[in-house]
Amino acid sequence: NAGVTQTPKFRILKIGQSMTLQCTQDMNHNYMYWYRQDPGMGLKLIYYSVGAGITDKGEVPNGYNVSRSTTEDFPLRLELAAPSQTSVYFCASSYGGSLNEQFFGPGTRLTVL
Amino acid sequence: AQSVTQPDIHITVSEGASLELRCNYSYGATPYLFWYVQSPGQGLQLLLKYFSGDTLVQGIKGFEAEFKRSQSSFNLRKPSVHWSDAAEYFCAVGPYSGGGADGLTFGKGTHLIIQP
Repeated sequence: NAGVTQTPKFRILKIGQSMTLQCTQDMNHNYMYWYRQDPGMGLKLIYYSVGAGITDKGEVPNGYNVSRSTTEDFPLRLELAAPSQTSVYFCASSYGGSLNEQFFGPGTRLTVL
Repeated sequence: AQSVTQPDIHITVSEGASLELRCNYSYGATPYLFWYVQSPGQGLQLLLKYFSGDTLVQGIKGFEAEFKRSQSSFNLRKPSVHWSDAAEYFCAVGPYSGGGADGLTFGKGTHLIIQP
């Protein structure tokens, strides 16, 4: 039981490049989330999904896209990377929503230069 | 809009001493309150949560928190800290009020340093 896994762990992008952050969970959770954590700040919700085929915006969705084709996978797509997207990205999952325990992956540290 | 304030950015405590981390929230209805811990290089882990009932809640790793509605506070405590408690601690409140979105609002975190 691996829990929530994220790849890559680190990535450096140039301005304008695109990339996909991968997230997979093996707990059969219906809810999945993407957060970003800027230095000295709390986590901010980018997008979330309540099940396969259903996604919705969080607090800071601009510049990102998501899809949820399976229960296990919830990739986050960055189009036209900007320095403001330099952050640590966390994927999380839960059964039944954020009022239940969220299980977090180890994070992806992204730098946009 | 809902918000969470953690007034202390850093706290230093000697090993074996007691600990209290402060959390104040602003929320328009009955809040659901959480404390999460983030060890270096790791994702967040739930320590405890409060929904209703007894205002003193017990969590994992010997932590407890007390909900005080009159003070809009949910402070985290531990009677005796261990070196392994050094981490970042986040208070959170939910659900998002209005708009139907799922999610929690997190504070900025308190960095706990343990002195030998």
